[in-house]
Amino acid sequence: AQSVTQLDSQVPVFEEAPVELRCNYSSSVSVYLFWYVQYPNQGLQLLLKYLSGSTLVESINGFEAEFNKSQTSFHLRKPSVHISDTAEYFCAVSESWRNRDDKIIFGKGTRLHILP
Amino acid sequence: ETGVTQSPTHLIKTRGQQVTLRCSSQSGHNTVSWYQQALGQGPQFIFQYYREEENGRGNFPPRFSGLQFPNYSSELNVNALELDDSALYLCASSSQGGAYEQYFGPGTRLTVT
Repeated sequence: AQSVTQLDSQVPVFEEAPVELRCNYSSSVSVYLFWYVQYPNQGLQLLLKYLSGSTLVESINGFEAEFNKSQTSFHLRKPSVHISDTAEYFCAVSESWRNRDDKIIFGKGTRLHILP
Repeated sequence: ETGVTQSPTHLIKTRGQQVTLRCSSQSGHNTVSWYQQALGQGPQFIFQYYREEENGRGNFPPRFSGLQFPNYSSELNVNALELDDSALYLCASSSQGGAYEQYFGPGTRLTVT
């Protein structure tokens, strides 16, 4: 069975400092990996996704994540955070063998708290 | 292009009652998935509907049921509400065979007292 572990429930970081949000997954089959962001009182928005190909994926707002199959990780990084990045970040996984949209298994989330 | 919409935004019910939540999928999407997000937790998959049929179910009891209509909108019904059903209910739409990307609505906040 698939599972996702986000190792940190909260991450405080100063504005303009780098940040890494950690995510490990468990699955016996090939997977697709996602990072979703949830701003206060809003639904989830897809930040970036890994389906195949290059193991480094980037979002339009400066975040990037690297798929590491040997370590079963998909950590999210940003070199310089802004106050607007304050949100809850969810790592998620779905099975790729089905070749169709399927349920997504989410981690418990990491709250990114930007300090002024 | 209209995004995913959900109604109502907030709802308060009493234990034992029944509730119906609604979701309109994004234009061009034929698949709807429902998730329950308890406070401080990640979303948990309830079930998915594709072309009006249930297409996968998570670990939720039968009192959680759903429907999908010909226009691909969907309903989530919960019978015999329990206090633990208090949560944010999220609907996500997607296109089978597309980019495996699910688009989420803003959610319905259900409080059971």
